[in-house]
Amino acid sequence: DGGITQSPKYLFRKEGQNVTLSCEQNLNHDAMYWYRQDPGQGLRLIYYSQIVNDFQKGDIAEGYSVSREKKESFPLTVTSAQKNPTAFYLCASSVLRTGTGDSNQPQHFGDGTRLSIL
Amino acid sequence: RKEVEQDPGPFNVPEGATVAFNCTYSNSASQSFFWYRQDCRKEPKLLMSVYSSGNEDGRFTAQLNRASQYISLLIRDSKLSDSATYLCVAGGRGSTLGRLYFGRGTQLTVWP
Repeated sequence: DGGITQSPKYLFRKEGQNVTLSCEQNLNHDAMYWYRQDPGQGLRLIYYSQIVNDFQKGDIAEGYSVSREKKESFPLTVTSAQKNPTAFYLCASSVLRTGTGDSNQPQHFGDGTRLSIL
Repeated sequence: RKEVEQDPGPFNVPEGATVAFNCTYSNSASQSFFWYRQDCRKEPKLLMSVYSSGNEDGRFTAQLNRASQYISLLIRDSKLSDSATYLCVAGGRGSTLGRLYFGRGTQLTVWP
């Protein structure tokens, strides 16, 4: 079954600690994304990557880092510089674009990681 | 100004009712639009794409009004299982092509 796998489902971070959230996809999608969702809020883009070894900051990149060493994998590290990390983190992937011109393709989401501070 | 604006609701309707949600988007150059559904404490799931001519998928109808820059979703014959938050989404253009902009969502509760 093709899909996006996020792990762990729940994660607790101690003060001063960096933690890494895993995201793996076997959909052969070029683009991958990390979002943060706070209770009652919309999705905010942290980082995204459209090709291996390249990524761009989203709207709230401060305190986070990513890597894209393989097409299938896009891990997110929440660093100690992120002072309010408690949130629901969602990874998504998509085909980059179709051959019919400039258009966005729908993104498909993993089932998320809930991060809390200890 | 947010890229996509939605009325957060909540909308509370009885089973069998017809309910409509609207949202507006700010980038007139956007070409791609979607509606997602998000259940409580779950990930968003694609409900349907929105095409220029409007499109229907069973009880769901999506419309796009480019002149006014708004997108609508109509749900007919509501079911209890339709209770969820509905996210309106617009695609980026130019330097932001590849990004999707999500609204905060409209909460729907269908009661028996």
